[in-house]
Amino acid sequence: AQSVTQLGSHVSVSEGALVLLRCNYSSSVPPYLFWYVQYPNQGLQLLLKYTSAATLVKGINGFEAEFKKSETSFHLTKPSAHMSDAAEYFCAVIRHQTGANNLFFGTGTRLTVIP
Amino acid sequence: GAVVSQHPSWVICKSGTSVKIECRSLDFQATTMFWYRQFPKQSLMLMATSNEGSKATYEQGVEKDKFLINHASLTLSTLTVTSAHPEDSSFYICSARFRGSYNEQFFGPGTRLTVL
Repeated sequence: AQSVTQLGSHVSVSEGALVLLRCNYSSSVPPYLFWYVQYPNQGLQLLLKYTSAATLVKGINGFEAEFKKSETSFHLTKPSAHMSDAAEYFCAVIRHQTGANNLFFGTGTRLTVIP
Repeated sequence: GAVVSQHPSWVICKSGTSVKIECRSLDFQATTMFWYRQFPKQSLMLMATSNEGSKATYEQGVEKDKFLINHASLTLSTLTVTSAHPEDSSFYICSARFRGSYNEQFFGPGTRLTVL
């Protein structure tokens, strides 16, 4: 079954520094991958998604992610961190099951931005 | 577009009582709705999937008699936590998708349940 693994439960960067959040996937079929952001006590907001089109996917708020099949990775990056980027980030993959295609979430990475 | 709302946003109840949480798709017809729970500092765990007009499909380990899900219309799904206990305290999030949004789910803002 499809799954994702997020390395690093907590990442701290300085304001203006590069943001790199790691996600590796496992899938025997071409995966559909997502990055979501969650602010405290709120639901999830979609940042970007990969659906087998361009391998470099651009999302909202200046984030982008690159699908690398050879590394089974879909890392999230942003060139310059802003204080407002502090949040929890989840990588997710569509898990194909009989009768339904559900999202399987990684364990999340909490991003702290240091002023 | 594709907005999902939840009500209430937070609820506190006494142990042994039942609590109903509503999930609505405001500007689309949701063919499928999903319910997740999230414990503090943890990821989202899928509880159940419901299609309009049919019974919900529960994930392994989720008690269907405790977490009653009703998807009565294309814009409303409800989750009822029956005989709630403190261990049911959690953040419950719903999501929905519509025909044509095959791979994308739209999430509600979540409901914080605290059982005393």
